[in-house]
Amino acid sequence: GDSVTQMEGPVTLSEEAFLTINCTYTATGYPSLFWYVQYPGEGLQLLLKATKADDKGSNKGFEATYRKETTSFHLEKGSVQVSDSAVYFCALSANTGNQFYFGTGTSLTVIP
Amino acid sequence: KAGVTQTPRYLIKTRGQQVTLSCSPISGHRSVSWYQQTPGQGLQFLFEYFSETQRNKGNFPGRFSGRQFSNSRSEMNVSTLELGDSALYLCASSPPGAGVKDTGELFFGEGSRLTVL
Repeated sequence: GDSVTQMEGPVTLSEEAFLTINCTYTATGYPSLFWYVQYPGEGLQLLLKATKADDKGSNKGFEATYRKETTSFHLEKGSVQVSDSAVYFCALSANTGNQFYFGTGTSLTVIP
Repeated sequence: KAGVTQTPRYLIKTRGQQVTLSCSPISGHRSVSWYQQTPGQGLQFLFEYFSETQRNKGNFPGRFSGRQFSNSRSEMNVSTLELGDSALYLCASSPPGAGVKDTGELFFGEGSRLTVL
């Protein structure tokens, strides 16, 4: 079945460090891929998405490229800020409805 | 625009009881999905409703059920509660479109935290 595997945390980085959170997927068909973020005290919200192979999603300085050959959708940011501290979830959806498969989440803490 | 509203926010039940959770989607959203979030399993899809019809269903036992009303509000019910049902239950709505490939965005509520004793 469809599934997402993402890097386990927690991850602690200093401000301005480079961030990579790995995400790989297994899916039948041609899924769309997403990163959702949950800031402290807030609900889950969409960070970025890519709907086909080689697409790059980007938002708030974060980027992720849909790599079909490696079934990956790694999240990257060149210079993290304290305000990026949150839990990040990789997700996929492979059907025409809104059935999403989420990874277990990676907690990121950025220290000044 | 009001967000996704879930009630109650917190509740405590004992084994064997049943519980009903409510979700009011964002105005104009017709798709409502439910997820169970636990520390061990993460977010797991329960079911999705669209225009009062169940469109997708996850791998949960029949004790978990849901429905959607004509105003798009949704309820989920868990009968014969077990300790393992303790979790945060999240509701998400999605704007109209041809499906996830067009909108790709779920708008989540803050969840209903269920504790089963």
